[in-house]
Amino acid sequence: DAKTTQPTSMDCAEGRAANLPCNHSTISGNEYVYWYRQIHSQGPQYIIHGLKNNETNEMASLIITEDRKSSTLILPHATLRDTAVYYCIVRVGATPLVFGKGTRLSVIA
Amino acid sequence: DTAVSQTPKYLVTQMGNDKSIKCEQNLGHDTMYWYKQDSKKFLKIMFSYNNKELIINETVPNRFSPKSPDKAHLNLHINSLELGDSAVYFCASSQRAGGTDTQYFGPGTRLTVL
Repeated sequence: DAKTTQPTSMDCAEGRAANLPCNHSTISGNEYVYWYRQIHSQGPQYIIHGLKNNETNEMASLIITEDRKSSTLILPHATLRDTAVYYCIVRVGATPLVFGKGTRLSVIA
Repeated sequence: DTAVSQTPKYLVTQMGNDKSIKCEQNLGHDTMYWYKQDSKKFLKIMFSYNNKELIINETVPNRFSPKSPDKAHLNLHINSLELGDSAVYFCASSQRAGGTDTQYFGPGTRLTVL
């Protein structure tokens, strides 16, 4: 079972930042936070991951709270192509991904 | 230069038939996976292979048999197909580095059993 809680859906205006929250209150010290997304009819796509420090790459930023019980994925300038289901996953090592229901992000023009 | 490819993309077949789905990765990864996404859109791990050896086998019927002829390929053979096998099947691959990994997924194979 997924160890994370995410809102079912969110809307974001095109060009604005999309902030997707995730609660993982039972995360253990050696578990990483991963974010993947699935655009309609495509395979899941890796976005970013982190352990305790904030991370940034060309796609997004990941902000992890100091107690590590929650995190936020930030898409700085959302486009229509960012419309997808976003999955927040906690996992240790190279174990298989356990997907929950995710957040359906709709970017609106 | 597709990283993880699957064939076929769509597969429609009758109950009771046997079918195979092929997966290939050109990333040089050691580990490959099969995931199943059912009609309710839940993605679940089925199998994981590392260097051609089975390391994870979730509760999957014996009718499903993965085969890894080499590190770059992981095929899924399904015997005696049932209606409930209708789903999208995703292959993925990864390379462990620093105690963790990033999985790269294929485009999926949509299986419809009639």
